[in-house]
Order: sequence, then C-alpha cells, then structure tokens
Amino acid sequence: AQSVTQLDSQVPVFEEAPVELRCNYSSSVSVYLFWYVQYPNQGLQLLLKYLSGSTLVKGINGFEAEFNKSQTSFHLRKPSVHISDTAEYFCAVSDLNNNDMRFGAGTRLTVKP
Amino acid sequence: GAVVSQHPSRVICKSGTSVKIECRSLDFQATTMFWYRQFPKQSLMLMATSNEGSKATYEQGVEKDKFLINHASLTLSTLTVTSAHPEDSSFYICSVFSSGTYYNEQFFGPGTRLTVL
Repeated sequence: AQSVTQLDSQVPVFEEAPVELRCNYSSSVSVYLFWYVQYPNQGLQLLLKYLSGSTLVKGINGFEAEFNKSQTSFHLRKPSVHISDTAEYFCAVSDLNNNDMRFGAGTRLTVKP
Repeated sequence: GAVVSQHPSRVICKSGTSVKIECRSLDFQATTMFWYRQFPKQSLMLMATSNEGSKATYEQGVEKDKFLINHASLTLSTLTVTSAHPEDSSFYICSVFSSGTYYNEQFFGPGTRLTVL
C-alpha cells in the first residue's frame, strides 16, 4: 500500500509571500498524486493532480506542484499567498485504479496580514 | 467533474440511536463510493469502499456491523451508524468514482458532522 508524509503540520506565512507545502510519498507501484484544500467544516476541494506527463502541474487559485519521482515528492507551491488561502491542505496518493487513496496528515496554512 | 451531495450536513443524536447519512452523486454514475472519517484536526481515514450492487469492503479496524453501508444504485450510497456513541462523533465524508471514465479522480461530498451526546 502507499503512504503519504506531509512534513509540516503548520505553516505560517505573511500575505503576498511565497509558500511551499511539502509532501513525500511511498509506494511500490505507480501512483496518482493529488493536493486538496479543506476550509472549516467543508469537504475537500481538488487543487491539482498528477496523473502522467509533465511533472509540473498547475492547479486552481495559482497553486502548482512538481512531481519528483527520484525524490518521491510532490510539493505544493504558490508564489504569492492571500489571506483567503488560509486552510488545511492535504496531499493524497492513490493507485492507478483509484481504489486506494491515502491522505497525509495535513498542513495548516495560516496567512497573516 | 461530479457534483456530490451529503445529507444531512449536520446531525446531533443521543447515545444509542442510529443515524443514516446519504451520499448522492447528482450528475455522475458512480461505480464506486468511498466513506471516510475525519476526527478534529486530523486527516481523512478510509472506512470502507462500496461498489454498486455488492457488499462494502471495510478497512481494518472498522466494524461492519456498526457502520452499515448500502450502495443501492449508481447515484446513492448510505452510511448508517448504529447504536451511536460519543466516540463516533466525527466528520464523515463520502466520495464517488467511476472507472473507465475521463476523470481519474474521486469526487468528494461536503461532509456530514455527526455529534453524539
């Protein structure tokens, strides 16, 4: 089975600063990778996903992530954050059948004015 | 992508009662539906996977007699928490998936907050 490690439980950052949320995965098979955002008391919203092809994936709200197979990483980045980006972010990995999705513990991004 | 709804969004019940949570795929025929549980400030944990017309597959440590899952159709799955106890209080999220489609991803519902008194 696959697993995900999000290296930072909390990331505080000032508005308009760049941010990187780190994610490493472990799997013995090929995987799909995802980043989701969760606002309080809401479900998950997909930010972006890597299925195949270009390793640099662009998502919604100005986020992007880069798949690095040799480092088994899928870090999420945004060049300039807004107050509204304050939320919980989850990295997830699934097998190619999408039948076994595993989530990281989450990273709480707090954007301060 | 698919639009997924859950009902109710919030429920408060007394200990010992049963609660049913519905997950509907509004515009997408879901061959597979997943149920997750999320405790406060924690990640999502997969509880079970259900395929339409067959019995659900439960993750290790999840009591199938306590968490009854019915995937009655391609657009509806229900999770019934039987004889609920305060430790069952959690945020329950469903997701839908269909194999063989363009969408290689699960689509998530908005979640149901269960509070057992």
